[in-house]
Amino acid sequence: EVQLVESGGGLIKPGRSLRLSCAASGFTFGDFAMHWVRQAPGKGLEWVAGISYNSNSIGYGDSVKGRFTISRDNVKESLDLQMNSLTAADTALYYCVKSPRGSTSLNWFALWGQGTLVTVSS
Amino acid sequence: DIPMTQSPSSLSASVGDTVTITCRASQTIINYLNWYQQKPGKAPKVLIYAASNLESDVPSRFSGSGSGTHFTLTISNLQPEDFATYYCQQSFYAPLTFGGGTKVEI
Repeated sequence: EVQLVESGGGLIKPGRSLRLSCAASGFTFGDFAMHWVRQAPGKGLEWVAGISYNSNSIGYGDSVKGRFTISRDNVKESLDLQMNSLTAADTALYYCVKSPRGSTSLNWFALWGQGTLVTVSS
Repeated sequence: DIPMTQSPSSLSASVGDTVTITCRASQTIINYLNWYQQKPGKAPKVLIYAASNLESDVPSRFSGSGSGTHFTLTISNLQPEDFATYYCQQSFYAPLTFGGGTKVEI
């Protein structure tokens, strides 16, 4: 079965760091670009970061640039998101998302995990 | 950034109706426009990619059209399972951006 399973969410204090992970299975992970997309409670969708199949192309949303780092391990078939200097505005459900191609742009979000909730609060 | 303006933000409809949702980009995105459906408590699901291509297993009552800056999602013969929130998303420019969503209610 093709699936993405996120982990690492939880309650964290403002200013602290948190690392999210996504375990992929059921497909050749190293062939596809991957993304993180988040959704604040009751709000819309926001693209957080994306990484190409070979990690050569990486992009970030404006609100997280300089604070978050996306990375992948094609051997372990995993995607990570290192989040630093967290604020209340980062409170959201974070989805791991697979693209149907290797590049981060010019395609779409084909497969979504169920998400992991990050709550930033003192 | 390329803001995506989606309208309406919500609409009321009945089973059997045809509904149209519009998405506009501030500059041309060619046809790099995708549509997603999200039901409460669930992850989004892609319906239409590259403006008019129906994702596999998506019913044919969903259709997309448009190019440049103006795009539409049409749902014909609305079914009970279609009541959800719909989002457009452009993939031509980084950062990738979503519309604000359209909630389709009974």
